[in-house]
Amino acid sequence: EPEVTQTPSHQVTQMGQEVILRCVPISNHLYFYWYRQILGQKVEFLVSFYNNEISEKSEIFDDQFSVERPDGSNFTLKIRSTKLEDSAMYFCASTEDSYYNEQFFGPGTRLTVL
Amino acid sequence: KNEVEQSPQNLTAQEGEFITINCSYSVGISALHWLQQHPGGGIVSLFMLSSGKKKHGRLIATINIQEKHSSLHITASHPRDSAVYICAVNKVGGSQGNLIFGKGTKLSVKP
Repeated sequence: EPEVTQTPSHQVTQMGQEVILRCVPISNHLYFYWYRQILGQKVEFLVSFYNNEISEKSEIFDDQFSVERPDGSNFTLKIRSTKLEDSAMYFCASTEDSYYNEQFFGPGTRLTVL
Repeated sequence: KNEVEQSPQNLTAQEGEFITINCSYSVGISALHWLQQHPGGGIVSLFMLSSGKKKHGRLIATINIQEKHSSLHITASHPRDSAVYICAVNKVGGSQGNLIFGKGTKLSVKP
């Protein structure tokens, strides 16, 4: 069964460093999302992406964040200069042909900023 | 105030019990999702519904649009059902598919 994959599963970085989190959505899916979950808190929307551009972003998604689909299969989230409060689990998700479909989530990347 | 509220926060049940988790929301929605988050952190979609009732195996999800309320039922619960169950909604009015999440209900089923 097709699935969303994410790498790495765990990333440890120093404050101020840049990180890139990678996702491979399901191959025929067209809509992509990033969410984050700070430990012990609820999942929060970061950004949605369609047709090679951002559709919507939340207040969390400031200038330190960017997303890209560099090669038609990968979908990346970059954090330019990490802060301690960026430590969280980051989930990628995708939907097939509409924003309002079932979302398929990746297993998540746990980011720890020291 | 949270736009999506779940109850209870924590639930402990004995194997075989019938379980109900509730979700109330305060905004107009186009769809409601029930998700399961495993202890390792991964999230799996269980249901997406905009009206009525859906059933998959031992899981049943219902929604009452007028009352802005949804329930997730688990029949004949099993220890492998232990997980966090999350309600999330697609909000009407401009949200490009982003989901608004509840805080989750942590279910523990004892053998």
